[in-house]
Amino acid sequence: SQQGEEDPQALSIQEGENATMNCSYKTSINNLQWYRQNSGRGLVHLILIRSNEREKHSGRLRVTLDTSKKSSSLLITASRAADTASYFCATDRGSGGSNYKLTFGKGTLLTVNP
Amino acid sequence: DTGVSQNPRHKITKRGQNVTFRCDPISEHNRLYWYRQTLGQGPEFLTYFQNEAQLEKSRLLSDRFSAERPKGSFSTLEIQRTEQGDSAMYLCASSSPSSSGRVTDTQYFGPGTRLTVL
Repeated sequence: SQQGEEDPQALSIQEGENATMNCSYKTSINNLQWYRQNSGRGLVHLILIRSNEREKHSGRLRVTLDTSKKSSSLLITASRAADTASYFCATDRGSGGSNYKLTFGKGTLLTVNP
Repeated sequence: DTGVSQNPRHKITKRGQNVTFRCDPISEHNRLYWYRQTLGQGPEFLTYFQNEAQLEKSRLLSDRFSAERPKGSFSTLEIQRTEQGDSAMYLCASSSPSSSGRVTDTQYFGPGTRLTVL
């Protein structure tokens, strides 16, 4: 069963705008990770946020985590055409479960128009 | 570039044939994972190795699938008697444990092998 569910499924914006993607999950976690995948290629790791963290930044990326709501958001600021890709959140299973097996959602397809 | 590599990148085969894929992880990583991704879906976990030991197999991995990591370095994934439903992207990832050993370590993915079964 899907652990992470991204929302929206697809997002189209203009270059320079900000893009926000959300992820909800069902069980407790140790960490939540965001990955990017360009069409037909492998996944690129973007950022990892631990369950005891609430916010993390990396360049133009900002990730928040609300464990009480079992949700996370990924914000990409000042988007570029090169940011066009699918974005996935991935969670582990937390205490009592495996801490290595990642469960991915279906992803958000982001299109940044020049 | 010392990232995860996978070969071949593309494989087209006829139903009933056997196929084998290879994954070379990042050299210092002792953990290796296989995932499968179908169109429009996120990757799904298949199996996991720590060094040469296969520690978990998903229910998705039927008897026709076998994975090995004989010397704790590269890994192979073999599919016997392929079916059209096996058509997917097969992704390999590797990681090394965090210093605490408790939390998930970042998994680095290879470019994948796209399998098409005709």
